Formats: sequence, structure tokens, C-alpha cells
Amino acid sequence: TQLLEQSPQFLSIQEGENLTVYCNSSSVFSSLQWYRQEPGEGPVLLVTVVTGGEVKKLKRLTFQFGDARKDSSLHITAAQPGDTGLYLCAGASRNQGGKLIFGQGTELSVKP
Amino acid sequence: DADVTQTPRNRITKTGKRIMLECSQTKGHDRMYWYRQDPGLGLRLIYYSFDVKDINKGEISDGYSVSRQAQAKFSLSLESAIPNQTALYFCATSNSRYNEQFFGPGTRLTVL
Repeated sequence: TQLLEQSPQFLSIQEGENLTVYCNSSSVFSSLQWYRQEPGEGPVLLVTVVTGGEVKKLKRLTFQFGDARKDSSLHITAAQPGDTGLYLCAGASRNQGGKLIFGQGTELSVKP
Repeated sequence: DADVTQTPRNRITKTGKRIMLECSQTKGHDRMYWYRQDPGLGLRLIYYSFDVKDINKGEISDGYSVSRQAQAKFSLSLESAIPNQTALYFCATSNSRYNEQFFGPGTRLTVL
């Protein structure tokens, strides 16, 4: 069974600080996605990474896919209260037959 | 208008009752999914469907059933609700490339 381990599970920081969320697995994924979920809403796709070593930037968010395609990280620079939410990573692989494997999520709180 | 809609948004019911959650989409995607979300457990897949004639069990299908009435409609039923089915339920659709998911707003179900 493929698993994705996210860390940390909870993160509470002050506005302006930097942070990194990790998503790790012992399995190889063909692609990995990051979602953000706000209270009372469904997750929203932020980015998909598909190539080992790939780095994608979305304003203050930087996403990286590990060289071996087994892990990924999300780095937020100068966090703002609007970044508060649940961040989920999800992996897809050919042997999952069109399903995604989700990590447990990282609950981020950015205080003003 | 939202691309993926779910009804109802909130439901409180009693143990033993039959409940149906409905999902409709206007994205034109063939793939549809039902997930449940519990704190600290991320998103767990209940059932998924790749077209009207294709229904597949996910990792936690016991106690649930589904119906794919049309490409745009996918409903989830709890035949006899029990308290540990209290959770947030999300419907999602996907295109085939990278299996990126587009989620509905969720249904908060409470079974007393």
C-alpha cells in the first residue's frame, strides 16, 4: 500500500515567517499535487509537479518534487494570515489506476 | 455557478436511517469520486467511477453504495447510517491527465 506522510501535522507561526511542509513516501509517484483547503470548503488544487527535481513557484509558494519522485516540499516565504488553511499533498501513480493517495494534511495557522 | 455542486451541505440524521448525498458537475469530466474527511486522517476514497457503467470501490466502501445516474451525476448512499459515519463528505471530478481533482464544497453529515 502506498502512503504519503506529511509533516508537520500542525504549524502555528507569526506573519512574515517562512515555513516548509514536507510530503514523503517510500513509493515512486508519476505526479504529485498540492491542495489548499479553507474551512467549510473543498480542497483547491495549487500545483502539479511531474518531473523529478522540478521546482514550481506560485507567488510566495515554492513547490519541489524530489529527484526520485518519492517526496515533495512546499515552502512559503513571508507567510500571511491569508495563507491559513489545510495543505494536502496527493500522489498519483500508474499502479493506482486513476486514484490519488492523499497525505494526512498540514494545518497551518498564520497569526497577524 | 460552481462547477461541482453537492446537496445537502449539512445533514443531521439518526442511526439506522438511509441517507443519500448528491453530486452534480458541469465540468464535463468522466471521472467522479466520493471521499470522506476526518480530522488527522486526510481524505479517504469511498467509491469512484470512470464513466456511467464503471463503478469501483475505494479503501473504505463498507456501509456505502453509489449510483452514477449520468456523466454529470454521482450519488452516495448510506443504507443504514451509524455514528462513526459522521464526517465531511466530498465529491470530486477529474480529467485524465495527472488525475487532478476538482472538489465540491462538501457535505457535513452528523449521525446521532
